[in-house]
Amino acid sequence: KAGVTQTPRYLIKTRGQQVTLSCSPISGHRSVSWYQQTPGQGLQFLFEYFSETQRNKGNFPGRFSGRQFSNSRSEMNVSTLELGDSALYLCASSLWNKNTEAFFGQGTRLTVV
Amino acid sequence: QQQVKQSPQSLIVQKGGISIINCAYENTAFDYFPWYQQFPGKGPALLIAIRPDVSEKKEGRFTISFNKSAKQFSLHIMDSQPGDSATYFCAANAGNMLTFGGGTRLMVKP
Repeated sequence: KAGVTQTPRYLIKTRGQQVTLSCSPISGHRSVSWYQQTPGQGLQFLFEYFSETQRNKGNFPGRFSGRQFSNSRSEMNVSTLELGDSALYLCASSLWNKNTEAFFGQGTRLTVV
Repeated sequence: QQQVKQSPQSLIVQKGGISIINCAYENTAFDYFPWYQQFPGKGPALLIAIRPDVSEKKEGRFTISFNKSAKQFSLHIMDSQPGDSATYFCAANAGNMLTFGGGTRLMVKP
């Protein structure tokens, strides 16, 4: 069974640009969550999608957005990039019901210069 | 606001020893508590998890102890091996949102 796949693995962008990251969940998983990992702030929840609907949102500015497609694949977008957006962005997938295990992908390492 | 406090930040253990990592939470809405292991350059991997109606769960060398009244839980790694050297994160779930502790960098010396 394939795990969570995130693309691309690495990205370098310039301040002010926008970026789109992609996540393919484990087959059969309908919930996709996104997390930001930085040395200073640790792992922080961005948002969670289920059946193409955003169910939960963390405390991030509106520049961070996402969506989920009918096949459960998800994308997140960051507009007007800032240096502080440099981080490892992680996607996690889980089954549809609550409190089931969340499995993470390897992440996308975003560097903003 | 950090809702899950994890300690210690770093830990050095001799091979064969017991590694103990502790976490405390505040939000009583948390209802599922997983532990993740992360190696450099990799995403966090689910290690073991517990629900608050259980006081202990053991899987191989890994054991979670859970104290609901104290709002604390801990990970014990028995017979620690150099291959266990990684960063460990406790987490707490509420409504499909995981809140993570700050992480513990474990080094197991051969």
